[in-house]
Amino acid sequence: SQTIHQWPATLVQPVGSPLSLECTVEGTSNPNLYWYRQAAGRGLQLLFYSVGIGQISSEVPQNLSASRPQDRQFILSSKKLLLSDSGFYLCASGTGGWEQYFGPGTRLTVT
Amino acid sequence: DQQVKQNSPSLSVQEGRISILNCDYTNSMFDYFLWYKKYPAEGPTFLISISSIKDKNEDGRFTVFLNKSAKHLSLHIVPSQPGDSAVYFCAASMTYTDKLIFGTGTRLQVFP
Repeated sequence: SQTIHQWPATLVQPVGSPLSLECTVEGTSNPNLYWYRQAAGRGLQLLFYSVGIGQISSEVPQNLSASRPQDRQFILSSKKLLLSDSGFYLCASGTGGWEQYFGPGTRLTVT
Repeated sequence: DQQVKQNSPSLSVQEGRISILNCDYTNSMFDYFLWYKKYPAEGPTFLISISSIKDKNEDGRFTVFLNKSAKHLSLHIVPSQPGDSAVYFCAASMTYTDKLIFGTGTRLQVFP
């Protein structure tokens, strides 16, 4: 079975600071990888997904970016955080539009 | 445009009774539906799914029903247990796509 690792678990960052969240996957190869955000009172919003190394699709225009330097590594970044970037960030791994497996998430608070 | 909707943000059910969580969708091209369960500060975990060629799928205490004409699916939990208290998300996808579209979630509370 797949295991999704995310770190850190919690993060408090000031407005305007950079961000880097990392996700790695074990137990599968060539997965689709996804970054979601769950903001207060909202569902799971898909931010980015990747079907292969270097292939990134963006779902929501924002000041975040994603990269996939290795098959089982997915990174979410920002050069300058906004207050509205606060939320619970989830990485997921899956195969097409079928079951996805989620990591434990990162709680980001931008102050 | 919210293609997958969960109109009830919360539901409270007594232990032992049935919990029914509802989900509506607008895109008739969706052909695979899933339910996820999420505890606070954790990632969602897959619960049960159903293909559009079926109208029912059962797994232990959990049953998902799909009504394609009404574009509606529901998750039944019988009997409900306190450990079922969580947020439940429904999700939908289409063949040949790489994405799941999630609803906004329903918080289920099962009380003794």
